[in-house]
Amino acid sequence: KAGVTQTPRYLIKTRGQQVTLSCSPISGHRSVSWYQQTPGQGLQFLFEYFSETQRNKGNFPGRFSGRQFSNSRSEMNVSTLELGDSALYLCASSLLTGTGELFFGEGSRLTVL
Amino acid sequence: EDKVVQSPLSLVVHEGDTVTLNCSYEVTNFRSLLWYKQEKKAPTFLFMLTSSGIEKKSGRLSSILDKKELSSILNITATQTGDSAIYLCAVEITQGGSEKLVFGKGTKLTVNP
Repeated sequence: KAGVTQTPRYLIKTRGQQVTLSCSPISGHRSVSWYQQTPGQGLQFLFEYFSETQRNKGNFPGRFSGRQFSNSRSEMNVSTLELGDSALYLCASSLLTGTGELFFGEGSRLTVL
Repeated sequence: EDKVVQSPLSLVVHEGDTVTLNCSYEVTNFRSLLWYKQEKKAPTFLFMLTSSGIEKKSGRLSSILDKKELSSILNITATQTGDSAIYLCAVEITQGGSEKLVFGKGTKLTVNP
């Protein structure tokens, strides 16, 4: 069974640009959650999608958005990038809820210059 | 504000040592506490604890929750170099009718041969 796949794995952007990250969950999993991980703040919850609906949202500005498609694949978008957005963005999938035993992808490492 | 605090932040031990990692929390609407291991990028699930005083074990790893003290410990006996990783504690809370995870910043464990 294939794991959670995130693309791209690495990317470099400049301030003011926007970025879209993609996540394909484990087959059959309907919940996809997104987390931002930085050395100073640790893992912080961004949002969770279930059946194409955002079910929960963390305390991030509106520049961070996401969506989920009918095949459960999810994308997150960050607009008007700032230096502080440099981080590892992790996607996690689970069967039904965005909690409990989550299956994480390898992450997308974003560097903003 | 919901908060999860892990200690120590980092720890260096020798193979064969026993280690205890701590996690304390201050949250509203507690549902469960989880431990994850992050070796490179993708955190992997270790334990989920919901009831106070019941130890969960998996090989050399064990964990217990103390709801009265709002804390949990993760024990690793006879450590091996392969145990070197960041150990993440997360608390599942209910917010706005759905659940989310609040992570601590992690404990970085280094096991030297």
